[in-house]
Amino acid sequence: GENVEQHPSTLSVQEGDSAVIKCTYSDSASNYFPWYKQELGKRPQLIIDIRSNVGEKKDQRIAVTLNKTAKHFSLHITETQPEDSAVYFCAAQKTSYDKVIFGPGTSLSVIP
Amino acid sequence: DAGVTQSPTHLIKTRGQQVTLRCSPKSGHDTVSWYQQALGQGPQFIFQYYEEEERQRGNFPDRFSGHQFPNYSSELNVNALLLGDSALYLCASSFLGQARSPLHFGNGTRLTVT
Repeated sequence: GENVEQHPSTLSVQEGDSAVIKCTYSDSASNYFPWYKQELGKRPQLIIDIRSNVGEKKDQRIAVTLNKTAKHFSLHITETQPEDSAVYFCAAQKTSYDKVIFGPGTSLSVIP
Repeated sequence: DAGVTQSPTHLIKTRGQQVTLRCSPKSGHDTVSWYQQALGQGPQFIFQYYEEEERQRGNFPDRFSGHQFPNYSSELNVNALLLGDSALYLCASSFLGQARSPLHFGNGTRLTVT
């Protein structure tokens, strides 16, 4: 069945450094790839998303890249800050009528 | 503009009991999806409701059932609770079929089964 894998499971970086989280998906029909941030005890919140007709998207310090051929997509956070510390989930969806499948999450710690 | 609201926030039940969780979607959304999030894991898709019908279902037993009402709100019912059902249950709403309609999550219901 559909599956999304994510690594690393934990990531620790110094404040100001960059962080990269990588995901792979199994269903080549997947077309939409959102990223969610979940702070401790809070709801997951969308931080950025990308559709399959775009290879890269950037929003301030956050960027996402997509390689449809390899079925890989990645989240890049530059100039990390302590408030970036959270669990990040990648996800995949085939069409807007389909379910969203989440990866297992990456716990990011930014050390001041 | 109210976001997704869920009730109750916390619940403690005993094995074998039944539980009902409730969700009101974000204003303007017509679709509700339910997810189970065990500690330290990603949200697992339970099912999705649209036009008061279950459209899609994940790998969850029939003990998990749901309902959607005409005002788009939804309930998740779990019968014959098991210890393994202890988790955070997240409701997410969206607008079905819209080219870009990301999921908006509620704060979840923390279910503990003892």
